[in-house]
Amino acid sequence: GAGVSQSPSNKVTEKGKDVELRCDPISGHTALYWYRQSLGQGLEFLIYFQGNSAPDKSGLPSDRFSAERTGGSVSTLTIQRTQQEDSAVYLCASSLYREGSEQFFGPGTRLTVL
Amino acid sequence: AQSVTQLDSQVPVFEEAPVELRCNYSSSVSVYLFWYVQYPNQGLQLLLKYLSGSTLVKGINGFEAEFNKSQTSFHLRKPSVHISDTAEYFCAVSGQGGYKLSFGAGTTVTVRA
Repeated sequence: GAGVSQSPSNKVTEKGKDVELRCDPISGHTALYWYRQSLGQGLEFLIYFQGNSAPDKSGLPSDRFSAERTGGSVSTLTIQRTQQEDSAVYLCASSLYREGSEQFFGPGTRLTVL
Repeated sequence: AQSVTQLDSQVPVFEEAPVELRCNYSSSVSVYLFWYVQYPNQGLQLLLKYLSGSTLVKGINGFEAEFNKSQTSFHLRKPSVHISDTAEYFCAVSGQGGYKLSFGAGTTVTVRA
């Protein structure tokens, strides 16, 4: 079946602009996660959704970052007033809502802030 | 909170030789442990995971890992590597009652003929 998809695959933006990154999880996966992968920081957790609610937002680096999930499916990560340090690959993953469940990762969105 | 240390950032290895990638974790609670692989220009793929039970876990592509609670380690091994195993390998942990993964910094494995 279809895996996790993310769009766009690449995004180049100017400093100060807002960007939206989209994630389509695997059908039936109630848990959804956003991570960020950058050269300096490795793989960092950003936020976790169970259904449409986000019980853990502890990884969001600043209030410029927000995310929502609608219909228990698609999620959007929004970065406002982008900065150069936001440049990274943003990864989305989904899983069943069960401890220890495998997280299935999408291909990522590469964000470059000029 | 959990943290993960991958002791080797880069591991060069010749084809058909064995490889071991070291991973240590710290946690105040029981954990679930994972190894993910990222091939060049691709997403993360699960190699294997430890939840409970037998401490020797077998995964895909001939990889295995051993959970050692007393040493808080979860080292990954393969007895004979192929060129196609060239990739970055990540060890990750989640705590019981938690769902998010904490990743190590990654180990880049380069297999040469």
